[in-house]
Amino acid sequence: ILNVEQSPQSLHVQEGDSTNFTCSFPSSNFYALHWYRWETAKSPEALFVMTLNGDEKKKGRISATLNTKEGYSYLYIKGSQPEDSATYLCAFLAGNNRKLIWGLGTSLGVNP
Amino acid sequence: DGGITQSPKYLFRKEGQNVTLSCEQNLNHDAMYWYRQDPGQGLRLIYYSQIVNDFQKGDIAEGYSVSREKKESFPLTVTSAQKNPTAFYLCASSLGLQETQYFGPGTRLLVL
Repeated sequence: ILNVEQSPQSLHVQEGDSTNFTCSFPSSNFYALHWYRWETAKSPEALFVMTLNGDEKKKGRISATLNTKEGYSYLYIKGSQPEDSATYLCAFLAGNNRKLIWGLGTSLGVNP
Repeated sequence: DGGITQSPKYLFRKEGQNVTLSCEQNLNHDAMYWYRQDPGQGLRLIYYSQIVNDFQKGDIAEGYSVSREKKESFPLTVTSAQKNPTAFYLCASSLGLQETQYFGPGTRLLVL
C-alpha cells in the first residue's frame, strides 16, 4: 500500500518567520512529486511538480527540495506572511500508477 | 478566461435520490478527475478519465457513476447506493494523467 505522510499536521508561526514542512513517500518506483496550496474557500492550486532527485524549485518566497532515494520532500516558506495561511498538500505519483496518492496536508497559520 | 467550473456550490440530497454534480473545463485538457474530501482525510479519488468516452474507477467508486461524452464535461452522479454521500467533492483536470491538476471550486453535498 502506497502511503504519503506529511508533517507536522498543523503549525502556527508569526509573520516574518521562516518555516518548513515535510512530505514522505515511498522511495521505490518514483515518478513525480506534486505540491499544492489550498486556501480556505478556494480551490487547491499547484505549486511545484518535481521529478528529479536533487531537484530544487522556487516560486517567490516558497521553495521545495526533493530526495527520491530516501523518499522525502521539504517545502520552505521564507518570511511567512498572513496570506501564506493555507493547507499545503503533497501528492506522489509512482511510475506504474496513473493516480496521485495524496497526503493529508500541513495546515499553516501565519499570525500578523 | 480559461478554467474549471463546478455546480452547484451546495447540493442537498434526499434519501434514495440520485443527484448529479457538474464539472466543466475549457482548458482543453484530456484528463479529468473526481475527488471526495471528508474531515480528517486526504483527497480520495472516485473516478478519472484519460480521454473522451473512457473512464476508470478510482479508490472509492462504489455508489458513484460518471460519463465523459464531451472533452469539456465530466459529470458525477451520486446514486442511492452511496450510503454516506455527505462530503466535499472536487473536480480537477490536467493535460495528461501525470501532469499538474487544476481544480474547480468544489461542491458540498448534504443529505436531508
